[in-house]
Amino acid sequence: AQSVTQLDSHVSVSEGTPVLLRCNYSSSYSPSLFWYVQHPNKGLQLLLKYTSAATLVKGINGFEAEFKKSETSFHLTKPSAHMSDAAEYFCVVIHAISSNTGKLIFGQGTTLQVKP
Amino acid sequence: GAGVSQSPSNKVTEKGKDVELRCDPISGHTALYWYRQSLGQGLEFLIYFQGNSAPDKSGLPSDRFSAERTGGSVSTLTIQRTQQEDSAVYLCASSLPILAESYNEQFFGPGTRLTVL
Repeated sequence: AQSVTQLDSHVSVSEGTPVLLRCNYSSSYSPSLFWYVQHPNKGLQLLLKYTSAATLVKGINGFEAEFKKSETSFHLTKPSAHMSDAAEYFCVVIHAISSNTGKLIFGQGTTLQVKP
Repeated sequence: GAGVSQSPSNKVTEKGKDVELRCDPISGHTALYWYRQSLGQGLEFLIYFQGNSAPDKSGLPSDRFSAERTGGSVSTLTIQRTQQEDSAVYLCASSLPILAESYNEQFFGPGTRLTVL
């Protein structure tokens, strides 16, 4: 069975400093992995996705993530945080490609706080 | 174009009452999902519809929960005899058809916040 673990429930950074949100996955299959962002009172938005192509994936708003099979990790990074990045971030794995229903399995979420 | 819409945005109900939550997917999206977001359980899958196929109901937490999708478009999630533990944000998502070995982005609605008193 697939699962994801987000290692930090809360991350606080200063504006202009790098962001690192950590995610480890567990999967019996070659996984498809995603990061979603949820701003207060807004819907979930896809940041980026990994589907077995390039291991370094670039997403929207300057975010990127690297798939590392040896470490079973898919950490989200951004070189320089902006105040507008403050939100909840979810690492997500897709359920069983072999019986592809597309249902998403979410991590517990990481709240990113950006200080001025 | 219009995104996924959900109504109502907020619903407060008394324990034991039935509630209906509505989702309007993006036009042309044949796949539709319901998820629940709660403090204790995080974000969890509830049910999935694709076209005329039988829905995947494997995530429904009890038989008090049901969902239907009429005409392959609008979906309604019904919770009967609501309990306090049903309090959560219910999210709907839609996507283009799901094909084997592929993934189409799911677009999420803003959610319905359900509070059971």
